[in-house]
Amino acid sequence: DAGVIQSPRHEVTEMGQEVTLRCKPISGHDYLFWYRQTMMRGLELLIYFNNNVPIDDSGMPEDRFSAKMPNASFSTLKIQPSEPRDSAVYFCASSSGGFSRWEQYFGPGTRLTVT
Amino acid sequence: RKEVEQDPGPFNVPEGATVAFNCTYSNSASQSFFWYRQDCRKEPKLLMSVYSSGNEDGRFTAQLNRASQYISLLIRDSKLSDSATYLCAVGGAGGGNKLTFGTGTQLKVEL
Repeated sequence: DAGVIQSPRHEVTEMGQEVTLRCKPISGHDYLFWYRQTMMRGLELLIYFNNNVPIDDSGMPEDRFSAKMPNASFSTLKIQPSEPRDSAVYFCASSSGGFSRWEQYFGPGTRLTVT
Repeated sequence: RKEVEQDPGPFNVPEGATVAFNCTYSNSASQSFFWYRQDCRKEPKLLMSVYSSGNEDGRFTAQLNRASQYISLLIRDSKLSDSATYLCAVGGAGGGNKLTFGTGTQLKVEL
């Protein structure tokens, strides 16, 4: 079975540009999570969705960040405008409902560099 | 106090050694506990769920101590391939589905 798919794998952009990260969760999974990982702060949850509905966005750092999930198989995380401090690895993860709903499976990540 | 805390290491151990990591959590209402493994420049991968009764998977044993609010991971007969960062994850408090991750413990297994 295909795991979580993320694109692009690497993104280098200049400060002020818009960045869009994409994620396809594992088919049949009801939950989708966006994380950011840096050396300084570790792995931080930004936002998560259940059945395409945002449930908790308390980790979204500021208004420059937005996330959408228009359907069960696709989500985007957008940063506009980007800043150098946004440089990090962004992971998408998904989990199924029911008893295993806390078992999250991660995609390979998008390594973002903002210059 | 951080919600989830781990000793960052690194733990440098010889091949064949037994090594143990602890992870403490602050929210006593937490219900779900996991260990993830993360290789350099890769994504975290689920290693084990941690159950109240403890659980074992081959050379790996995970335990939960609710009274002292910590989980542990024991690796026996460590292999070079066990070298990685081990992240603990805690969740389920307040009915939500999110996990809070520790910053990870780095393990280096040497010849």
